[in-house]
Amino acid sequence: NAGVTQTPKFQVLKTGQSMTLQCAQDMNHNSMYWYRQDPGMGLRLIYYSASEGTTDKGEVPNGYNVSRLNKREFSLRLESAAPSQTSVYFCASSSDGVAKNIQYFGAGTRLSVL
Amino acid sequence: DQQVKQNSPSLSVQEGRISILNCDYTNSMFDYFLWYKKYPAEGPTFLISISSIKDKNEDGRFTVFLNKSAKHLSLHIVPSQPGDSAVYFCAAREQGGKLIFGQGTELSVKP
Repeated sequence: NAGVTQTPKFQVLKTGQSMTLQCAQDMNHNSMYWYRQDPGMGLRLIYYSASEGTTDKGEVPNGYNVSRLNKREFSLRLESAAPSQTSVYFCASSSDGVAKNIQYFGAGTRLSVL
Repeated sequence: DQQVKQNSPSLSVQEGRISILNCDYTNSMFDYFLWYKKYPAEGPTFLISISSIKDKNEDGRFTVFLNKSAKHLSLHIVPSQPGDSAVYFCAAREQGGKLIFGQGTELSVKP
């Protein structure tokens, strides 16, 4: 009963390096999201995908790109990491049915950019 | 400009007493509100929700109250238990379906 799985759990990057955060869900959900959580800021939406093949910017998209690879997978890419991108990143998914308002979250990826 | 605010970063309550977590919002077009609970090193998990057409929703020890005229949401936990110690986020749904989260309140329930 995996739900939303994120990899890796931890990552340390140097400024300028690139990396991709992976997210997969096994709940057959149409919508997927990427958030970042910073102290005192709550969860802020980076990008989301309402369905396979579509992606849209959220509140804080600068410095990030996303790919909705298929219905299960939604990846977040940092092309040139900056210290300001040090954060905890959460992926989430939701259905379009009765429970469409409820988003299910992964355990997070803790990223440090030095 | 934060549309959803949780003005108390932390709250400490004695076991068995009531915990009241508060949330204010500015956008009157929000149509659905949710509370999430987060333990350290885990993702947020859904706790309870309320539609904007209601003013109260109960689920066991958890009750959410909505005061639309004041644009205020609160979560009551009674009785509080040590296992309730966590960070609680309120969230509001925009008409496009996205959720806007508050900053979170860390609840500590002391035995």
